Amino acid sequence: LAKTTQPISMDSYEGQEVNITCSHNNIATNDYITWYQQFPSQGPRFIIQGYKTKVTNEVASLFIPADRKSSTLSLPRVSLSDTAVYYCLVGGLFGTYKYIFGTGTRLKVLA
Amino acid sequence: NAGVTQTPKFRVLKTGQSMTLLCAQDMNHEYMYWYRQDPGMGLRLIHYSVGEGTTAKGEVPDGYNVSRLKKQNFLLGLESAAPSQTSVYFCASSLQSYEQYFGPGTRLTVT
Repeated sequence: LAKTTQPISMDSYEGQEVNITCSHNNIATNDYITWYQQFPSQGPRFIIQGYKTKVTNEVASLFIPADRKSSTLSLPRVSLSDTAVYYCLVGGLFGTYKYIFGTGTRLKVLA
Repeated sequence: NAGVTQTPKFRVLKTGQSMTLLCAQDMNHEYMYWYRQDPGMGLRLIHYSVGEGTTAKGEVPDGYNVSRLKKQNFLLGLESAAPSQTSVYFCASSLQSYEQYFGPGTRLTVT
């Protein structure tokens, strides 16, 4: 299983773009990169998933360099409601069920 | 769709008591999971199931048992509760292994 490393915490201000980087040096060829968001007292929520280059949806963008040893979750123009813990996970789509959530990155958005 | 539901939402047990947590999903997902989350920590996988009638151990299976008799339900049992099992328990389900949908959690306290 690919181990991931993320910053423990980050602070940002409303309206700024936030980039959270995750390193996964031993990612396997078949592994995908997935990000989840968790608010206090709630279960995690899937944000975005990608394999290489760039993926964008209505919530975030995910940038993955060619060597795939790291990835960056980008949240455009954050608001107070984006204060949450963000988890980076690495694993295959099939046959990999033991995802390691780690401690995630605690993002605090300030007014 | 209700998504993933968990019963009960809260429970207090005395050491040595037993209980069963129920997880139900109405999305026809094959895969279901039980996690625990301790304060300030990420989620740790207890057990998971890749289909009706199947179960497998995750990272921290000791002290727990599970059953998946019906596709839509995944039960987590504690035969003899211990204070170390005080935690928030999350159930999740997924169609494929990377996008998991989580329930609201069950907060369990063992005294």
